[in-house]
Amino acid sequence: EVQLLESGGGLVQPGGSLRLSCAASGFTFSSYAMSWVRQAPGKGLKWVSGISGSSGSTYYGDSAKGRFTISRDNSKNTLYLQMNSLRAEDTAVYYCAKGKGSTVTTSFSDWGQGTLVTVSS
Amino acid sequence: DIQMTQSPSSLSASVGDRVTITCRASQGISNFLAWFQQKPGKAPKSLIYAASSLQSGVPSKFSGSGSGTDFTLTISSLQPEDFATYYCQQYNTYPLTFGGGTKVEIK
Repeated sequence: EVQLLESGGGLVQPGGSLRLSCAASGFTFSSYAMSWVRQAPGKGLKWVSGISGSSGSTYYGDSAKGRFTISRDNSKNTLYLQMNSLRAEDTAVYYCAKGKGSTVTTSFSDWGQGTLVTVSS
Repeated sequence: DIQMTQSPSSLSASVGDRVTITCRASQGISNFLAWFQQKPGKAPKSLIYAASSLQSGVPSKFSGSGSGTDFTLTISSLQPEDFATYYCQQYNTYPLTFGGGTKVEIK
C-alpha cells in the first residue's frame, strides 16, 4: 500500500524559512516523479513543484521559482520542499503527490494527508 | 500557462441523479487530463487519468471523456458519498494546472 506522510509544517514569520518532508513507502520511490501541491484556505488546488524519478529534474510554478527548492533522497524514500522568503500568501496545506510515471508530466495516483504552513507575524 | 476552466462551479443534485461536469483547456492537451475528488478537510483522491482511464479501486459509476480542449466527468448515479468538490488537471505541459473546482451539493 502506498503511503505518503508529510511533515514540517507550522507557523513561520514572513521572510522565514521552512522545510517540508514527505516520507514515502509501499512503492519503488526512485522510479516515480513526485510533486508538491498546495491549497490555500477555502481555495482550490495549485501545483507548486515537481521532480522526476531517478534523473531528479526539477520544475516549478511561478509562485515557487527562486524561493522554493524541491529535492529527493532516494536512499531515504523522502521528498523535500525547502521554502525560503515565505510570504503570507504561501499559507496553505501542502500535499505531496506521487506520479504514475517517472516524468513530472504525469498524472497523480496517490496523495499524502497534507501539512499546514501558516505564514504570519 | 494552460488555463483550465470548469463548469459549473457548483451544482445541486439528488441521490440517484446523473451528473456531468465539464472542463475546458485554453489550448489542446491531447488526453493528458486527470480528475480528482476532494471532501472537506481531506486530501484529494485521484479518480481518472488520461481523460478516461479509471484509477485502481475507483467505482465504474465515474467516467471521463474528451480530448484536445473539452472534457467531461460523469457520475452515473449520485450517491451520498459522492458529494464533494471535483477538480480537473492538465499534465500535458509545465506548469501543471488545475481547474477551479466544481462543488457537488445535496439538493
